[in-house]
Amino acid sequence: DAGVTQSPTHLIKTRGQHVTLRCSPISGHKSVSWYQQVLGQGPQFIFQYYEKEERGRGNFPDRFSARQFPNYSSELNVNALLLGDSALYLCASSFYRTSRSGANVLTFGAGSRLTVL
Amino acid sequence: GIQVEQSPPDLILQEGANSTLRCNFSDSVNNLQWFHQNPWGQLINLFYIPSGTKQNGRLSATTVATERYSLLYISSSQTTDSGVYFCAGHPSGGAGNMLTFGGGTRLMVKP
Repeated sequence: DAGVTQSPTHLIKTRGQHVTLRCSPISGHKSVSWYQQVLGQGPQFIFQYYEKEERGRGNFPDRFSARQFPNYSSELNVNALLLGDSALYLCASSFYRTSRSGANVLTFGAGSRLTVL
Repeated sequence: GIQVEQSPPDLILQEGANSTLRCNFSDSVNNLQWFHQNPWGQLINLFYIPSGTKQNGRLSATTVATERYSLLYISSSQTTDSGVYFCAGHPSGGAGNMLTFGGGTRLMVKP
């Protein structure tokens, strides 16, 4: 059974460029969340999508956007890249939309490591 | 939002030693999970433990929800236990299922 898959695994961009990161959730999972992890810190929540709609947004600028497709895969887009966007971007999937729906374990992918020069 | 504090921030152990990692939350949380992040960045679920005690091999975890803390016990540590351990939770009553993570405990187990 495939886990959460992310692509690309590594990429290097220059300031001002745009990047698209992709995520495929575990089969049957309808919720996808994105997290940013800067070196030496814990992951920070960026977005949650459920049934193709945005259900939550963290404290990130409008340069960050995402979407979810009918097959529940997701893309994270970052425009006008800054040096500070260099980080590991993690995607997580879960079955339920909320933690109140039941045991809602988030399973993470291996991440996409973005370096901005 | 909630604050999550983990202690200790860094821990060095000799192989075979036992350790306890702690996680304190500033408010009630749901969906409490412990993760191990390996050197390649992969976050691996260790426990989903909103309350009570669970054990999995040499690892066990206890959450006291009323006092807003959770503990992760590692017994007979091995070099493969090295990495960063994170706890994370979702604010009780909050919408969605976003997790707030602590800063992590960086564990190094020496042979």
